[in-house]
Amino acid sequence: NAGVMQNPRHLVRRRGQEARLRCSPMKGHSHVYWYRQLPEEGLKFMVYLQKENIIDESGMPKERFSAEFPKEGPSILRIQQVVRGDSAAYFCASSPGRTDQPQHFGDGTRLSIL
Amino acid sequence: QKEVEQNSGPLSVPEGAIASLNCTYSDRGSQSFFWYRQYSGKSPELIMSIYSNGDKEDGRFTAQLNKASQYVSLLIRDSQPSDSATYLCAVSGTYKYIFGTGTRLKVLA
Repeated sequence: NAGVMQNPRHLVRRRGQEARLRCSPMKGHSHVYWYRQLPEEGLKFMVYLQKENIIDESGMPKERFSAEFPKEGPSILRIQQVVRGDSAAYFCASSPGRTDQPQHFGDGTRLSIL
Repeated sequence: QKEVEQNSGPLSVPEGAIASLNCTYSDRGSQSFFWYRQYSGKSPELIMSIYSNGDKEDGRFTAQLNKASQYVSLLIRDSQPSDSATYLCAVSGTYKYIFGTGTRLKVLA
């Protein structure tokens, strides 16, 4: 499967735990974007990364959230000390780096906080 | 003013009709425009890209772009119940993609 791969598909955490969401971009893509979507709402941009660099994190909450895209391996969105309000669908998209080319989305991770 | 605006709907059309979805954007420098379809509980799926003024057709879908008026639209001919979904308009800037909040389309059998 050469598409954007996200795992896990579903993640359940208790309040105060950590959540780690992974994203492997489409083959040939070096740019990764993370979005959050609440039920019945639009996509909210969180962060844009290239390999080893955060390009734009203007949509990320200042606390508890972090993202990385190491030289080797998938991009990771990390949420520390989760709260109920973090329950959402988190989508990763990748692109080849030119914005005249579209993004392609993974299937998302549904995060539920108990 | 939002950067990319769409009517949230729902837009209801009878089966077989033409569905017309509209999107306006604020950045005159935008060059690339995309339409995504998102079924409930699923991820967005790219259906059309358009880059120059005019119409672009792909099967039952036609994207229309008017840069002077800063709007892009999507027409769906012979609408089917399976077209019922939320349609997201996306506009690309220097490096970022700006998404509208989407228009919910309901095709009535």
